[in-house]
Amino acid sequence: NAGVTQTPKFRILKIGQSMTLQCTQDMNHNYMYWYRQDPGMGLKLIYYSVGAGITDKGEVPNGYNVSRSTTEDFPLRLELAAPSQTSVYFCASSSSGVPSGANVLTFGAGSRLTVL
Amino acid sequence: AQSVTQLDSHVSVSEGTPVLLRCNYSSSYSPSLFWYVQHPNKGLQLLLKYTSAATLVKGINGFEAEFKKSETSFHLTKPSAHMSDAAEYFCVVSVGGSYIPTFGRGTSLIVHP
Repeated sequence: NAGVTQTPKFRILKIGQSMTLQCTQDMNHNYMYWYRQDPGMGLKLIYYSVGAGITDKGEVPNGYNVSRSTTEDFPLRLELAAPSQTSVYFCASSSSGVPSGANVLTFGAGSRLTVL
Repeated sequence: AQSVTQLDSHVSVSEGTPVLLRCNYSSSYSPSLFWYVQHPNKGLQLLLKYTSAATLVKGINGFEAEFKKSETSFHLTKPSAHMSDAAEYFCVVSVGGSYIPTFGRGTSLIVHP
């Protein structure tokens, strides 16, 4: 069972370039999330999805876009990359937000992005 | 609204001594609380969770945490630290029915030989 798979693991981008971080889960989870992790700042939610065709903004959505055409896939698109987007990106999924406490997140291994 | 505060950004212990990582939360409703661990250059892994059952929760690798409603705390402890415990630890709160968990900033646990 693969869990949550993210690609690529590492990427260097030039300012202004665009790219897509891929995320796939094979657990049939409804909820999927994209976080970014910066040193000493914990994890910040970029976007999330509660099911295929439904997405919503998190805490730091500017400069990013997402789509959720299937239950399994939740790609994150970076348009016009900027140095401020240098970070480690984590995709996560969970089976449900209810009842209380069921929302255990399964994380991917992360994608380290550098924008120069 | 919900929030979580990890009181220490770094905790340093010697191998074989107790570990205490502190977490306080704020929540308008009964919370679910979690601790995740992140080893260097790895993803996050669930250590333990509190979901309104027993207030003392046991997790993997000898860790446990106690939910104290009166103190709004969910501190993580381990009786004896091991070198392999060196990692970043995140306290997470999720209000009942919410699918958007809130992360603390993390505590880096350093274990000295």
